[in-house]
Amino acid sequence: AQSVTQLDSQVPVFEEAPVELRCNYSSSVSVYLFWYVQYPNQGLQLLLKYLSGSTLVKGINGFEAEFNKSQTSFHLRKPSVHISDTAEYFCAVGEYGNKLVFGAGTILRVKS
Amino acid sequence: EPEVTQTPSHQVTQMGQEVILRCVPISNHLYFYWYRQILGQKVEFLVSFYNNEISEKSEIFDDQFSVERPDGSNFTLKIRSTKLEDSAMYFCASRLRADHGYTFGSGTRLTVV
Repeated sequence: AQSVTQLDSQVPVFEEAPVELRCNYSSSVSVYLFWYVQYPNQGLQLLLKYLSGSTLVKGINGFEAEFNKSQTSFHLRKPSVHISDTAEYFCAVGEYGNKLVFGAGTILRVKS
Repeated sequence: EPEVTQTPSHQVTQMGQEVILRCVPISNHLYFYWYRQILGQKVEFLVSFYNNEISEKSEIFDDQFSVERPDGSNFTLKIRSTKLEDSAMYFCASRLRADHGYTFGSGTRLTVV
């Protein structure tokens, strides 16, 4: 069965600084990987996804993530964050035809 | 861009009452899911539905829960006799194919009092 570990529960960072939110997964088969963002009292918005092809995936709002099969990681990065990026970020893994399994989430707090 | 629509956005119900949460998936999607998120916790899988039947369900999805796709467009989650611990945000999701991404609705916040 697949599982997802988000290594940091909270990440504080100053505005305009770079950020990396870490995600590791375990699975016995090929996987699909996703990052979702959740603003307070709102739903899940897809930031980006890896289904196949290039391991560097670009998403919305200037975020990108790199799929590293050997390290079973899918870390999310942004070179310069804004106050509006303050939210909770969820990494999720899915296998072909199967459900998504979510990580516990990382709260990104951007400070001015 | 096509959306998954969930209604209502908020529902308050008394313990022991039945509730039905409604979802309209994207029209040509074939796979349907319900997830829930208890306040402050991770998003948990409840059930997946394909070809008019449940394809997988979690331990959470006990006999109090049921799903239906009654008319080819709606996808409903019914909780027969709600408990306080059913209070959560419930998300519906759909996808076109098994190798495609998932689209989530904006959720229904269920509060059981």
